[in-house]
Amino acid sequence: EIVLTQSPATLSLSPGERATLSCRASQSIFTYLAWYQQKPGQAPRLLMYDASTRATGIPARFSGSGSGTDFTLTISSLEPEDFAIYYCQQRSNWPTFGQGTRLDI
Amino acid sequence: QVQLQESGPGLVKPSETLSLTCTVSGGSISGYYWSWIRQPPGKGLEWIGYIYDSGSTYYNPSLKSRVTILIDTSKKQVSLKMSSVTAADTAVYYCARGMSIAARPVWYFEFWGQGNLVTVSS
Repeated sequence: EIVLTQSPATLSLSPGERATLSCRASQSIFTYLAWYQQKPGQAPRLLMYDASTRATGIPARFSGSGSGTDFTLTISSLEPEDFAIYYCQQRSNWPTFGQGTRLDI
Repeated sequence: QVQLQESGPGLVKPSETLSLTCTVSGGSISGYYWSWIRQPPGKGLEWIGYIYDSGSTYYNPSLKSRVTILIDTSKKQVSLKMSSVTAADTAVYYCARGMSIAARPVWYFEFWGQGNLVTVSS
């Protein structure tokens, strides 16, 4: 099983600030990583895939980077609707998810 | 737009079998991986398994002994059965469709149902 570890567990920022979320894999997953956003009571929404490709309809303020074992999701300027929980997920082996980062106002 | 709708009982007794159905509308069921993913209340996401339109399956090794996923392409439905449930199986269960990249199905989850909360309790 490939374990994904996300940090920090909670990130407290204000609208307009830059958010940087990290995801570390227990072994190399090349660029086979996705990021999801989940709001209370909703299903997760795919934001990024293959580490750095935005999914359909995702705003340009979201960007992803990394390869191998270390990955980053960056939100360049936070909007009020961005405050949510973010999960990373790998597909190098059978799918596993990180434990999530809560982005709080 | 692809839509997925989970349906099934919201309450299951311990040791019994959990059964859920996912109905697909607005798109083809062929050519994609169809997965079940669960989320215990207040916790993270756990992939349960997938099925392809051919009927081939792959399960989370930690759940493999208790899980069966089936597909009915004529009805555009994917089903989940999980046997011998305990309170630890209490979760929101999601149906999700995998992406297609360069005409190849991959294990990123592009479309999700709204989720079905299943509580295991006597």
